[in-house]
Amino acid sequence: QVQLQESGPGLVRPSGTLSLTCVVSGDSISSNNWWIWVRQPPGKGLEWIGEVYRSGSTNCNPSLKSRVAISIDKSKNQFSLNLTSVTAADTAVYYCAKVLSGSRFDPWGQGTLVTVSS
Amino acid sequence: QSVLTQPPSASGTPGQRVTISCSGTSSNIGSYTVNWYQHLPGTAPKLLVYSTNQRPSGVPDRFSGSKSGTSASLAISGLQSEDEADYYCAAWDDSLNGPVFGGGTKLTVL
Repeated sequence: QVQLQESGPGLVRPSGTLSLTCVVSGDSISSNNWWIWVRQPPGKGLEWIGEVYRSGSTNCNPSLKSRVAISIDKSKNQFSLNLTSVTAADTAVYYCAKVLSGSRFDPWGQGTLVTVSS
Repeated sequence: QSVLTQPPSASGTPGQRVTISCSGTSSNIGSYTVNWYQHLPGTAPKLLVYSTNQRPSGVPDRFSGSKSGTSASLAISGLQSEDEADYYCAAWDDSLNGPVFGGGTKLTVL
Protein backbone atom coordinates (compact mmCIF):
# COMPACT_ATOMS: atom_id res chain seq x y z
CA GLN A 1 0.00 0.00 0.00
CA VAL A 2 1.03 3.61 -0.42
CA GLN A 3 2.93 5.06 2.51
CA LEU A 4 4.41 8.49 3.14
CA GLN A 5 7.03 9.33 5.76
CA GLU A 6 8.18 12.79 6.78
CA SER A 7 11.69 13.44 8.04
CA GLY A 8 13.77 16.42 9.07
CA PRO A 9 15.11 18.34 12.07
CA GLY A 10 12.79 18.61 15.03
CA LEU A 11 14.29 21.91 16.15
CA VAL A 12 14.95 24.99 14.03
CA ARG A 13 16.34 28.32 15.22
CA PRO A 14 14.32 31.51 14.70
CA SER A 15 15.08 33.19 11.36
CA GLY A 16 16.43 29.86 10.09
CA THR A 17 15.09 27.54 7.40
CA LEU A 18 12.82 24.60 8.06
CA SER A 19 13.57 21.72 5.70
CA LEU A 20 11.49 18.55 5.51
CA THR A 21 11.38 15.59 3.16
CA CYS A 22 8.51 13.21 2.43
CA VAL A 23 9.49 9.80 1.11
CA VAL A 24 6.81 7.98 -0.87
CA SER A 25 6.69 4.18 -1.02
CA GLY A 26 4.24 1.94 -2.84
CA ASP A 27 3.54 4.61 -5.48
CA SER A 28 5.46 6.68 -7.98
CA ILE A 29 6.00 10.37 -7.31
CA SER A 30 5.70 10.70 -11.10
CA SER A 31 2.10 9.51 -11.11
CA ASN A 32 -0.66 11.89 -12.21
CA ASN A 33 -1.15 13.35 -8.74
CA TRP A 34 -0.26 16.39 -6.72
CA TRP A 35 1.58 15.96 -3.43
CA ILE A 36 0.82 18.25 -0.52
CA TRP A 37 2.18 19.70 2.72
CA VAL A 38 -0.20 20.55 5.58
CA ARG A 39 0.63 21.68 9.10
CA GLN A 40 -1.07 21.82 12.49
CA PRO A 41 0.19 24.29 15.12
CA PRO A 42 -0.27 23.16 18.74
CA GLY A 43 -3.90 23.39 19.78
CA LYS A 44 -5.00 24.65 16.35
CA GLY A 45 -6.51 23.30 13.18
CA LEU A 46 -4.99 22.15 9.92
CA GLU A 47 -3.43 24.64 7.50
CA TRP A 48 -2.59 24.07 3.84
CA ILE A 49 1.03 24.98 3.02
CA GLY A 50 1.33 24.03 -0.61
CA GLU A 51 1.49 21.27 -3.19
CA VAL A 52 3.72 20.07 -6.00
CA TYR A 53 3.07 18.21 -9.25
CA ARG A 54 5.36 15.74 -10.99
CA SER A 55 6.39 18.47 -13.43
CA GLY A 56 7.67 20.57 -10.55
CA SER A 57 4.76 23.00 -10.75
CA THR A 58 3.67 24.25 -7.35
CA ASN A 59 0.63 25.88 -5.78
CA CYS A 60 1.22 27.51 -2.39
CA ASN A 61 -0.82 29.25 0.28
CA PRO A 62 -0.56 33.00 -0.44
CA SER A 63 0.03 33.68 3.26
CA LEU A 64 3.23 31.59 3.12
CA LYS A 65 4.19 31.87 -0.54
CA SER A 66 7.06 34.31 -0.09
CA ARG A 67 8.77 31.90 2.34
CA VAL A 68 7.87 28.50 0.87
CA ALA A 69 9.62 26.33 -1.68
CA ILE A 70 8.33 22.86 -2.55
CA SER A 71 10.29 20.59 -4.84
CA ILE A 72 10.12 17.05 -6.16
CA ASP A 73 12.93 14.51 -6.61
CA LYS A 74 11.87 11.75 -8.96
CA SER A 75 15.11 9.82 -8.56
CA LYS A 76 14.46 9.41 -4.83
CA ASN A 77 10.67 9.24 -5.08
CA GLN A 78 10.28 12.05 -2.60
CA PHE A 79 9.26 15.68 -2.31
CA SER A 80 10.51 18.39 -0.02
CA LEU A 81 9.48 21.54 1.82
CA ASN A 82 11.66 24.52 2.62
CA LEU A 83 10.24 27.30 4.79
CA THR A 84 12.53 30.28 5.33
CA SER A 85 12.70 32.99 8.01
CA VAL A 86 10.84 30.87 10.53
CA THR A 87 9.40 32.19 13.79
CA ALA A 88 7.71 30.56 16.77
CA ALA A 89 4.44 30.75 14.82
CA ASP A 90 5.82 28.11 12.46
CA THR A 91 6.02 25.56 15.28
CA ALA A 92 3.69 22.77 14.22
CA VAL A 93 3.27 19.15 13.26
CA TYR A 94 3.97 18.98 9.54
CA TYR A 95 2.21 16.38 7.39
CA CYS A 96 2.67 15.29 3.80
CA ALA A 97 -0.04 13.58 1.80
CA LYS A 98 -1.08 12.44 -1.68
CA VAL A 99 -3.73 14.56 -3.36
CA LEU A 100 -6.46 12.50 -4.98
CA SER A 101 -8.46 15.58 -5.95
CA GLY A 102 -9.11 19.07 -4.58
CA SER A 103 -9.26 18.66 -0.82
CA ARG A 104 -9.25 14.86 -0.87
CA PHE A 105 -5.93 13.63 0.54
CA ASP A 106 -5.06 9.97 1.03
CA PRO A 107 -2.86 8.66 2.46
CA TRP A 108 -1.12 10.99 4.90
CA GLY A 109 2.20 10.63 6.62
CA GLN A 110 2.39 10.26 10.39
CA GLY A 111 3.55 13.83 10.75
CA THR A 112 6.68 15.33 12.27
CA LEU A 113 6.84 17.96 14.99
CA VAL A 114 9.03 20.94 14.22
CA THR A 115 9.73 23.39 17.02
CA VAL A 116 11.13 26.83 16.32
CA SER A 117 13.13 27.95 19.33
CA SER A 118 16.50 29.31 20.27
CA GLN B 1 -9.00 31.22 12.60
CA SER B 2 -10.08 28.48 10.20
CA VAL B 3 -11.98 29.27 6.99
CA LEU B 4 -14.55 26.52 7.64
CA THR B 5 -16.41 26.64 10.95
CA GLN B 6 -16.87 23.56 13.12
CA PRO B 7 -18.00 23.24 16.74
CA PRO B 8 -14.90 22.67 18.91
CA SER B 9 -16.45 19.71 20.69
CA ALA B 10 -19.19 17.12 20.48
CA SER B 11 -20.13 14.17 22.66
CA GLY B 12 -22.41 11.19 22.91
CA THR B 13 -22.89 7.89 24.65
CA PRO B 14 -22.26 4.51 23.04
CA GLY B 15 -24.95 3.64 20.54
CA GLN B 16 -26.09 7.24 20.07
CA ARG B 17 -26.09 9.23 16.85
CA VAL B 18 -23.91 12.34 16.72
CA THR B 19 -23.74 15.03 14.04
CA ILE B 20 -20.82 17.40 13.41
CA SER B 21 -21.46 20.51 11.35
CA CYS B 22 -19.14 22.38 9.00
CA SER B 23 -20.07 25.85 7.77
CA GLY B 24 -18.47 27.63 4.84
CA THR B 25 -19.25 30.04 2.03
CA SER B 26 -20.14 30.06 -1.65
CA SER B 27 -16.45 30.02 -2.57
CA ASN B 28 -15.82 26.68 -0.87
CA ILE B 29 -18.59 24.37 0.38
CA GLY B 30 -21.17 26.11 -1.78
CA SER B 31 -19.21 25.23 -4.92
CA TYR B 32 -17.29 22.06 -4.12
CA THR B 33 -17.65 18.68 -2.50
CA VAL B 34 -16.60 18.20 1.12
CA ASN B 35 -14.16 15.71 2.59
CA TRP B 36 -13.96 14.60 6.21
CA TYR B 37 -10.93 13.35 8.13
CA GLN B 38 -10.63 11.43 11.38
CA HIS B 39 -7.52 12.20 13.38
CA LEU B 40 -6.12 10.57 16.47
CA PRO B 41 -3.25 12.64 17.91
CA GLY B 42 0.11 11.18 17.04
CA THR B 43 -1.23 9.31 14.03
CA ALA B 44 -1.82 10.07 10.37
CA PRO B 45 -5.17 11.73 9.60
CA LYS B 46 -7.51 9.28 7.90
CA LEU B 47 -9.87 10.05 5.02
CA LEU B 48 -13.32 9.22 6.39
CA VAL B 49 -15.78 10.61 3.84
CA TYR B 50 -14.99 12.00 0.39
CA SER B 51 -16.99 13.78 -2.29
CA THR B 52 -19.47 14.87 0.41
CA ASN B 53 -21.11 11.47 0.96
CA GLN B 54 -18.82 8.66 -0.21
CA ARG B 55 -16.95 6.30 2.08
CA PRO B 56 -13.52 4.87 1.25
CA SER B 57 -13.19 1.12 1.39
CA GLY B 58 -13.01 -0.07 4.98
CA VAL B 59 -14.90 2.83 6.55
CA PRO B 60 -18.04 1.56 8.32
CA ASP B 61 -21.42 2.71 7.03
CA ARG B 62 -22.03 4.20 10.49
CA PHE B 63 -20.26 7.26 9.06
CA SER B 64 -22.19 9.39 6.57
CA GLY B 65 -21.84 12.83 5.06
CA SER B 66 -24.23 15.36 3.59
CA LYS B 67 -24.30 18.92 2.33
CA SER B 68 -26.85 21.64 1.91
CA GLY B 69 -25.92 24.99 0.43
CA THR B 70 -22.82 26.28 2.20
CA SER B 71 -22.95 23.82 5.10
CA ALA B 72 -22.00 20.18 5.46
CA SER B 73 -22.47 17.56 8.14
CA LEU B 74 -20.87 14.35 9.29
CA ALA B 75 -23.15 11.90 11.07
CA ILE B 76 -21.92 9.02 13.17
CA SER B 77 -24.52 6.48 14.20
CA GLY B 78 -24.13 3.63 16.66
CA LEU B 79 -21.37 5.58 18.43
CA GLN B 80 -18.46 3.46 19.65
CA SER B 81 -15.62 4.25 22.04
CA GLU B 82 -13.13 3.88 19.19
CA ASP B 83 -14.81 6.83 17.44
CA GLU B 84 -13.31 9.19 20.01
CA ALA B 85 -11.07 11.40 17.87
CA ASP B 86 -10.76 14.79 16.20
CA TYR B 87 -12.79 15.31 13.00
CA TYR B 88 -11.96 17.84 10.29
CA CYS B 89 -13.90 18.97 7.24
CA ALA B 90 -12.16 20.25 4.11
CA ALA B 91 -13.14 21.77 0.78
CA TRP B 92 -11.49 23.53 -2.14
CA ASP B 93 -11.71 27.31 -1.98
CA ASP B 94 -11.83 29.56 -5.06
CA SER B 95 -10.65 32.67 -3.20
CA LEU B 96 -7.56 30.90 -1.88
CA ASN B 97 -7.14 28.70 -4.94
CA GLY B 98 -6.36 25.92 -2.49
CA PRO B 99 -7.95 23.66 0.10
CA VAL B 100 -9.36 24.99 3.35
CA PHE B 101 -10.09 23.14 6.58
CA GLY B 102 -12.38 23.43 9.54
CA GLY B 103 -10.89 24.02 12.96
CA GLY B 104 -11.69 20.48 14.01
CA THR B 105 -14.24 18.92 16.37
CA LYS B 106 -13.12 16.81 19.29
CA LEU B 107 -15.59 13.96 19.73
CA THR B 108 -15.86 12.45 23.20
CA VAL B 109 -17.66 9.18 23.81
CA LEU B 110 -19.05 9.37 27.33
